[in-house]
Amino acid sequence: DADVTQTPRNRITKTGKRIMLECSQTKGHDRMYWYRQDPGLGLRLIYYSFDVKDINKGEISDGYSVSRQAQAKFSLSLESAIPNQTALYFCATSDSGRDYEQYFGPGTRLTVT
Amino acid sequence: AQSVSQHNHHVILSEAASLELGCNYSYGGTVNLFWYVQYPGQHLQLLLKYFSGDPLVKGIKGFEAEFIKSKFSFNLRKPSVQWSDTAEYFCAVNPRQAGTALIFGKGTTLSVSS
Repeated sequence: DADVTQTPRNRITKTGKRIMLECSQTKGHDRMYWYRQDPGLGLRLIYYSFDVKDINKGEISDGYSVSRQAQAKFSLSLESAIPNQTALYFCATSDSGRDYEQYFGPGTRLTVT
Repeated sequence: AQSVSQHNHHVILSEAASLELGCNYSYGGTVNLFWYVQYPGQHLQLLLKYFSGDPLVKGIKGFEAEFIKSKFSFNLRKPSVQWSDTAEYFCAVNPRQAGTALIFGKGTTLSVSS
């Protein structure tokens, strides 16, 4: 869905490096989420934000941090990347007034060597 | 803790076969239910959703799902699959309380041979 964009789409980085993944949306939604997808494990929630001043940890927040710079922008940072953070990362958005259906971005494939 | 279970990790079917993918959740309250599909190399797209009313919901591309409250289940069905249905399918649940995000199952990979 072009309304939710993620940058970069692919990234290879080395262990110990700091990396930021960015998500932007033009849907006007108030809620934003970060998930990681690993084969056989489905999608696991890293962080979510229900508005600019509300940030919540998800199931697997250790090793990650987030920033909600504006309603439309939600960034995920890996302060010191490690190989087991190699995964596909998805950003999603939803509108609190519309039954929590989530809209996903195209994903960022991150490889940590 | 709340969880979503998808019983089949990988399903292999021939074209025109019928499909049923199981999904069960563990939450005693009111829920919103979703099935998402991820085609190879693409992001997740919504197939269908249930919020209230008729427990049999119809989605895109001929898919339907039935909510059975007593069984905490929301199984996905399609009478006749096509090769283009090859994808990964995710069941997701939103417990209807403030401040709760979607909880996803681990996914079922469907492979359809022509």
